[in-house]
Amino acid sequence: GQNIDQPTEMTATEGAIVQINCTYQTSGFNGLFWYQQHAGEAPTFLSYNVLDGLEEKGRFSSFLSRSKGYSYLLLKELQMKDSASYLCAVRDLYTGGFKTIFGAGTRLFVKA
Amino acid sequence: ETGVTQTPRHLVMGMTNKKSLKCEQHLGHNAMYWYKQSAKKPLELMFVYNFKEQTENNSVPSRFSPECPNSSHLFLHLHTLQPEDSALYLCASSQDVRGGNYEQYFGPGTRLTVT
Repeated sequence: GQNIDQPTEMTATEGAIVQINCTYQTSGFNGLFWYQQHAGEAPTFLSYNVLDGLEEKGRFSSFLSRSKGYSYLLLKELQMKDSASYLCAVRDLYTGGFKTIFGAGTRLFVKA
Repeated sequence: ETGVTQTPRHLVMGMTNKKSLKCEQHLGHNAMYWYKQSAKKPLELMFVYNFKEQTENNSVPSRFSPECPNSSHLFLHLHTLQPEDSALYLCASSQDVRGGNYEQYFGPGTRLTVT
């Protein structure tokens, strides 16, 4: 079956670094996404990984290990505006086509 | 207008009604998506269209019927809904679902309440 796990909540301090982990189980892995969603707003795309390694985009980086079924989102130089939910999603290729499954999200609280 | 627009922003309908949600993107994208977001549940991808062809249907009940007449417009036709279908319905678009360019732009959503 398909399963995605990520922590429910995390708290970090402004200016610090935080790592949000995501583990997944799929039969036909075809890419992993990270989204940011502020309360009451639509999700915003952050990153996409399909090959092993680190993808860096400004203060945000995303890492993927396909053999371990593991990804993390790294946020550097945290700002108060980074307080949001971070959603991990996996695209799975099966005989009927593609399916994209989301984790429940990790709520990040950034404190001063 | 720019970006991704959705109408209506709020909708209240009875279980026997038929209504449609509309999404329009002004970004020149070729892929469009419907998502459902319920309180305290993970975001659910419902349908994906790429160049007007449906590429994903995540086991969505038939009371939800998508339509994609062209790459700029996406509809979600609703009929005989259940109260548990009350949720925020989000539309998104991206350049393509292939080739790795997956950055998606979301619309503001339609808040649906089924009574």
